[in-house]
Amino acid sequence: QSVLTQPPSVSAAPGQKVTISCSGSSSNIGKDFVSWYQHLPGTAPKLLIYDTYKRPSGIPARFSASKSGASATLAITGLQTGDEADYYCVAWDSSLSARLFGGGTKLTVL
Amino acid sequence: DVQLVESGGGLVRPGGSLRLSCAASGFSFSNVYMNWVRQRPGKGLEWVGRITSKTAGGTLAYAAPVKGRFTISRDDSRNTLYLQMNGLKTDDTAVYFCATEVIISDKSDYWGLGTLVTVSS
Repeated sequence: QSVLTQPPSVSAAPGQKVTISCSGSSSNIGKDFVSWYQHLPGTAPKLLIYDTYKRPSGIPARFSASKSGASATLAITGLQTGDEADYYCVAWDSSLSARLFGGGTKLTVL
Repeated sequence: DVQLVESGGGLVRPGGSLRLSCAASGFSFSNVYMNWVRQRPGKGLEWVGRITSKTAGGTLAYAAPVKGRFTISRDDSRNTLYLQMNGLKTDDTAVYFCATEVIISDKSDYWGLGTLVTVSS
């Protein structure tokens, strides 16, 4: 069981919008920055969002994130079949002195 | 170009030891915090541990499942990160990735492609 809780799966049609939630606590998301990764099997994870809201160079504006209290959300608009992947939220936990990954959410673009 | 190349994975018996290496190039390795992350078969990404830069004290942090068994170190003269794994368990079977923390000037982080560690009798 991950300390950061994500839905196991989400799905939406091409062109639509999907959101992926990440629920934590006051010692992690509630206190620190959140990152989001996209991961395809057999490849290196790709950073989509860092410092809760910022996008690395080359990540399209279709990917955005928000945070409220101890929860964070990744939003993907204009879904493409190439977006099918596993998505992870990440935050540092000050109580555990450990970096935490959410359990991951599998996105299916129908 | 930034490159991180892991090596040292393989098959090891339960209770055995293995040392992974991560050779870095294309960035100022000594100034960057470094992480090990793993993915067990059929499971999600799991943080293993981190070492800060020497200027930040070379501070170590580990995930609970590996604390006391795994040790992270770095050799800035060789631009190499290490993960010494002792007392290996079948549950440690995974692909192990090394990764930088976000490099502010690059507005990104970097990952290797991973090395497979299989713990089996």
